[in-house]
Parts: sequence; C-alpha cells; structure tokens
Amino acid sequence: RKEVEQDPGPFNVPEGATVAFNCTYSNSASQSFFWYRQDCRKEPKLLMSVYSSGNEDGRFTAQLNRASQYISLLIRDSKLSDSATYLCVVRMDSSYKLIFGSGTRLLVRP
Amino acid sequence: DGGITQSPKYLFRKEGQNVTLSCEQNLNHDAMYWYRQDPGQGLRLIYYSQIVNDFQKGDIAEGYSVSREKKESFPLTVTSAQKNPTAFYLCASITTGDTGELFFGEGSRLTVL
Repeated sequence: RKEVEQDPGPFNVPEGATVAFNCTYSNSASQSFFWYRQDCRKEPKLLMSVYSSGNEDGRFTAQLNRASQYISLLIRDSKLSDSATYLCVVRMDSSYKLIFGSGTRLLVRP
Repeated sequence: DGGITQSPKYLFRKEGQNVTLSCEQNLNHDAMYWYRQDPGQGLRLIYYSQIVNDFQKGDIAEGYSVSREKKESFPLTVTSAQKNPTAFYLCASITTGDTGELFFGEGSRLTVL
C-alpha cells in the first residue's frame, strides 16, 4: 500500500460547482498535513495546511480525519482558475520526511 | 529576495554520464529535499536532509547521491546507475517547526539522450 494515496481524477466540473478530494495515508503516526496546488510544468505551491479542527480559507475547506486516516479538500463555487493538480502532503512521524500523493487533477469548464 | 535557486533549468546528458544538479537556498532553512516528478505523476522523494552533514534516503534513492556540507546547499548527483533518469527534479526546503511551508525551486529538467 502506498504511504499517501489520491484519486488521480480528472474531476471535470462546471464553473460554480462544489468538488471534494480525499487523500488517505498509511502511517498513523503522521503529524502534519498540507494541500498543495501545482499548475502544468510549474513547481507546487502551498494551498493550505490541514489542522485537526479543520480549517477554511475563502472557498477552500480542509479537514483531517485521524480515525480513518484521511484528509479532504473541499472547493466551493469552482472557478476556471482552479483548474490544476492538487497534491496532498503528509509529514511522516517525527522526522522531516514529507511524502506527496500522486495528485488529483481538476478541470473546471465554462 | 530569499528563495531557492536550482541550476541548470534544462540539462541533456548522454547515457552513462553522471550529472550534478545544484540547489542553493538563502532562506536559512534547516531541512532540504530532492523530489523527482515524471509526466502525469506526483512527486517522489529521493533524499532529504534535516541538518548539515546529515541526510536520509527517500523512497527512490537508488542511483542518486547527495551531500550537505553547507546549510545553504544540497546538490544532487544523478549517477549512471540510475536506470531511467529523464525527469523533472525539484529541490525544496522548509523551516523546522511543527508546521511549515515547503519552498520549491523552479526545477531542473533532465533529459538523457
């Protein structure tokens, strides 16, 4: 089983739609969780950190479910500019080993 | 401006040659990373270093080597032992706190001819 797994998609949604991605992780000792966004042929950029209590940043909401070992990202009112690949990142245990999921591709159509 | 500089941006090499990719950061970050990305795939961890003179293998370290003689620098050598080295290589660094944002360089595209 991979350490961090994501549905590769693509998720093809109309503008204004709500879309959710999940990311599962195998190590129950994992400590920190992040969502990154990557545009084609560019380096990834931090979208948001994921806190135990869940957190929201505008149209984006991230949640952590430690019992089931997954994190989620919800995007409301999708914009064309949200089209990108969304990568989850998990910090394994107390080391600084940071593992990326394979990414979920989102396509927002007019 | 603070950031991470990778060089070269594009590199071509013949089979059987070693090549070294440079990564320099002036963010005063302790931890540095090398990832590899293949087309349509996520990032896979090659090596990471939490402090100077110490580094750990990631999931795909075979055929690669690194050094961390200075805090600012974490070069990656792709050796001839790496079976399929053509890829996009990304260097990153992070502050060593409980949470932190990974800062990436712009990447190096290596093509083996």
